[in-house]
Amino acid sequence: GAVVSQHPSWVICKSGTSVKIECRSLDFQATTMFWYRQFPKQSLMLMATSNEGSKATYEQGVEKDKFLINHASLTLSTLTVTSAHPEDSSFYICSAPREAGPHEEQYFGPGTRLTVT
Amino acid sequence: GQQLNQSPQSMFIQEGEDVSMNCTSSSIFNTWLWYKQDPGEGPVLLIALYKAGELTSNGRLTAQFGITRKDSFLNISASIPSDVGIYFCAGHYQSNTGKLIFGQGTTLQVKP
Repeated sequence: GAVVSQHPSWVICKSGTSVKIECRSLDFQATTMFWYRQFPKQSLMLMATSNEGSKATYEQGVEKDKFLINHASLTLSTLTVTSAHPEDSSFYICSAPREAGPHEEQYFGPGTRLTVT
Repeated sequence: GQQLNQSPQSMFIQEGEDVSMNCTSSSIFNTWLWYKQDPGEGPVLLIALYKAGELTSNGRLTAQFGITRKDSFLNISASIPSDVGIYFCAGHYQSNTGKLIFGQGTTLQVKP
């Protein structure tokens, strides 16, 4: 079954509004989660690393004031797209690492389709 | 930045045929992962590889971690219609960060 959930699965908003996307790890704790965005027919691009109890770290070129990340608990990270514009329309996916024996495996959420009109 | 070169970009095959795709990098990777993504969904982990030379199977899927640690391949044997989707390779190139770099993806279509 799913080990990482996202909510909502899709959202439509108007330009200038803000949208919050939740990512939850199910039945395991994640001190770190990752946020990706994916444009149609393209690969996943890492946006930022969400750290529980501390600030997120952003990849080069990602505006931290536009994409606010809060890792409020060991099972929840949120991504808020502030003052959304049509070019922010994309598929946003989170992931969380989970221990699998001596290694960690990265599990992905089902994604959130954001459409900004 | 780090990049993974994945090929082929797309494949259109007949049901029952075998499929092979691969990823290469100019840098050494510590792990190689293969994911499948269906439309409108997140990627699902298929196979994880942690040691150079490692060969791992998962049902009809077989993947190998290249000896040089700069490449990996995924084979699918006896393809079936539900194999349709986008396959991504991914790897950790920085230890202990958990960051994954993704290949460009291989779109697989299977004709019944």
